[in-house]
Amino acid sequence: GDSVTQMEGPVTLSEEAFLTINCTYTATGYPSLFWYVQYPGEGLQLLLKATKADDKGSNKGFEATYRKETTSFHLEKGSVQVSDSAVYFCALLSGGSNYKLTFGKGTLLTVNP
Amino acid sequence: DAGVIQSPRHEVTEMGQEVTLRCKPISGHDYLFWYRQTMMRGLELLIYFNNNVPIDDSGMPEDRFSAKMPNASFSTLKIQPSEPRDSAVYFCASSLQGAREQYFGPGTRLTVT
Repeated sequence: GDSVTQMEGPVTLSEEAFLTINCTYTATGYPSLFWYVQYPGEGLQLLLKATKADDKGSNKGFEATYRKETTSFHLEKGSVQVSDSAVYFCALLSGGSNYKLTFGKGTLLTVNP
Repeated sequence: DAGVIQSPRHEVTEMGQEVTLRCKPISGHDYLFWYRQTMMRGLELLIYFNNNVPIDDSGMPEDRFSAKMPNASFSTLKIQPSEPRDSAVYFCASSLQGAREQYFGPGTRLTVT
């Protein structure tokens, strides 16, 4: 079945540091890939998405490229801010009529001033 | 535009009591999802509906859990009787057919003592 594996946290960085959170997946067909962010005490918010190979999703300085050859969708940001502290979830949606999102376990990011 | 609305935001109840969680999806969305989030198991899809009809309830943990969607703007998740292991944050999400991304509500934090 479908699965998502993302790097174990927690990740602690200083402000303005470079961020990478690794995500790899296993799926049949051609899934859509997502990064969601969850701020403390809140629900999940869609951060970015990519629906086909080589697509790059981007939002708020975050980027991720859909790499079919390595089945990866790593999240990157060039310069993190304290306000980026949150839990980040990688997720996939298989193609076709399946609307079940499969999530990774989440990575807690803490950015210190 | 209002997002997904969930109520209550917090619920504390005693073991054996009935608990009802409520969700109002984004207007016009025709898919509705119920998720449960715990530290141990992460995010789990419990059930989802399309056009008010349950499509997949394979994630519902046991017969104590039931979900309904009587109309396009309202859904409930009921636990009867509740148990301490049901303590979790329950999220509702909605999406529009063809638009793969899901929009999450703020969640209901349930504590069963």
